[in-house]
This record gives sequence, C-alpha cells and structure tokens, in this order.
Amino acid sequence: AQRVTQPEKLLSVFKGAPVELKCNYSYSGSPELFWYVQYSRQRLQLLLRHISRESIKGFTADLNKGETSFHLKKPFAQEEDSAMYYCALSGQRGGSEKLVFGKGTKLTVNP
Amino acid sequence: DTEVTQTPKHLVMGMTNKKSLKCEQHMGHRAMYWYKQKAKKPPELMFVYSYEKLSINESVPSRFSPECPNSSLLNLHLHALQPEDSALYLCASSRPSPISTIYFGEGSWLTVV
Repeated sequence: AQRVTQPEKLLSVFKGAPVELKCNYSYSGSPELFWYVQYSRQRLQLLLRHISRESIKGFTADLNKGETSFHLKKPFAQEEDSAMYYCALSGQRGGSEKLVFGKGTKLTVNP
Repeated sequence: DTEVTQTPKHLVMGMTNKKSLKCEQHMGHRAMYWYKQKAKKPPELMFVYSYEKLSINESVPSRFSPECPNSSLLNLHLHALQPEDSALYLCASSRPSPISTIYFGEGSWLTVV
C-alpha cells in the first residue's frame, strides 16, 4: 500500500531562517515522489520531483531510500514561501498514475 | 497551453438537482483525473481515465458519475448529492506514465444545500 506521512501540520519560521518540511513514505516498489505547493486561493502546482533533482525557488529535496524520506529544504525562507505544502507519491496501476498525498504542512514565514 | 481548465469555478446546487462539472486540457495528455479536496485536507483521488477509459474508481458513490467524451474533455455528473459532498473538485491530467507530472486545474467549488 502507498502511504505518505507529513508529521507536521503547521510549521512557522522567521524570514531568512532555514526550513525543512518532513515527508516519509511507505511503498513496496520504486517510488516516484513529488512536492506540490498550494498558495492561498491558487491551484495546486508542482514544486519539484525527485527524478529531476532540480532546485525550484531555492527548495531542494533528496530521496533517502534507507530512511524512506523525501524532506523538503530551503536554506533561507522568504515570506512568499508561506503556503500549504503536500508531499505526494505515485505508483502505476492499470496503466495510469495514482498520486497519493500526505496530509500537508502549512508553512508560515514571519517577517 | 499548459493549463487544465475547469468550469464552473463555483456551483451551488440543491440535493435534488442534476449538474455537471467540466474539465478541459489541450496538452495531449491521455490520463485525466478527478480529485476531491475538503477544506484543510489533501486531495483525494476519485477517478482516473486512461485513454478515455475509466481505469480507477476509488469506491466513489454512484451519485458521482464521470464521463470522458474525448481525450481533451472530462466531465463529472452530479445527482442527488448530500451536503457533505460540498468540497473543491479538482481535475488533473498527465501523460499515462508513472514518472509523468500531474497538472491540476484551479478546481470547482461545490456547495450542496
């Protein structure tokens, strides 16, 4: 079974401070992991995915298969980073993609 | 065009009404999805269409009826809904591959009264 756990419902940091949003997963196959972000009153949008290994808006995430984690990190948080962040895992079933989301972490960056 | 477009943005319907939510994409994606998102909760998968055929139904009540008329369109027909069905309904699309990114629409806010 696919499962994604985001242990922190709320996370509050000050501008310029480092931020880490935790994500752990459970999946029997090779996982494909994503971070999606939802800014206030905007659509859910992809932030980054582990397979591309890129840095978007200063965020990075490394897949650690030993710890089954895919934590999202940014060295210096900005106020515009305040949003809801969802970690998600996909596995193929029936030829289509089933994306399972964690419960989300609401990040607030204070001035 | 990298957008998934959903209409209407807001819908209020009575429990005896019949209405439909519509979704359109022109990215050539052959997998399309309906998700339901309650306030402050993550999206929950409802249906997946792959090459215009229903491939996943996550035990959704029959008062929700999906339809995929062609590769660009996805509808969700609503009938005899309950107030607890009030939520944001998200349409999404992707290439039908496990490494494809899923693109979401802005959603349709549904209120059942």
